[in-house]
Amino acid sequence: DTGVSQDPRHKITKRGQNVTFRCDPISEHNRLYWYRQTLGQGPEFLTYFQNEAQLEKSRLLSDRFSAERPKGSFSTLEIQRTEQGDSAMYLCASSLQSRDRELEQYFGPGTRLTVT
Amino acid sequence: AQTVTQSQPEMSVQEAETVTLSCTYDTSESDYYLFWYKQPPSRQMILVIRQEAYKQQNATENRFSVNFQKAAKSFSLKISDSQLGDAAMYFCAYRSLDTGRRALTFGSGTRLQVQP
Repeated sequence: DTGVSQDPRHKITKRGQNVTFRCDPISEHNRLYWYRQTLGQGPEFLTYFQNEAQLEKSRLLSDRFSAERPKGSFSTLEIQRTEQGDSAMYLCASSLQSRDRELEQYFGPGTRLTVT
Repeated sequence: AQTVTQSQPEMSVQEAETVTLSCTYDTSESDYYLFWYKQPPSRQMILVIRQEAYKQQNATENRFSVNFQKAAKSFSLKISDSQLGDAAMYFCAYRSLDTGRRALTFGSGTRLQVQP
């Protein structure tokens, strides 16, 4: 399967702990996005990368959140000192920008985070 | 900032019947993309249909079609000949053509139930 993959699929952690999620995009895709989805809501944008450069960060991305995309391949999203309000589904999406046109975003299955 | 509103939290349709999901949006931009995404229970989000704002012709993909009313900022999805597999959350989404704002802005979703 060459779709977007995310690991882990589920994570339960205690408040105050750090967690890290991984996203592997479709191999030729140069753009990678992170979204957060809470129960009953649509996804909300967190940040995105073009290749290895982080080009935009949402105001939702507090200083406890950090994302990286070394070498423009996989990406990691780390949450430090987790809070109960961080409980959500974290979605990754990737897309290909070609000739000034961005094609559709393909989503991964998400990582469901529960902070107890 | 753009906003997307889906005013129908839940909809129900009989198998083989037609259903229309509503979406309105707010933007000051003249060119943009609009999307409908489907999120089946516990499965990843997939693109259903895409509309470019500069195209007057409504997009169609098999049983799925849209009614795009640019002046009214309305973008509804019509599902014809509904099937049990159409049961899912449906999200309307907006994407700017501005190179600095490529993330999707989603509505809160409509849960579609298909009755056999």
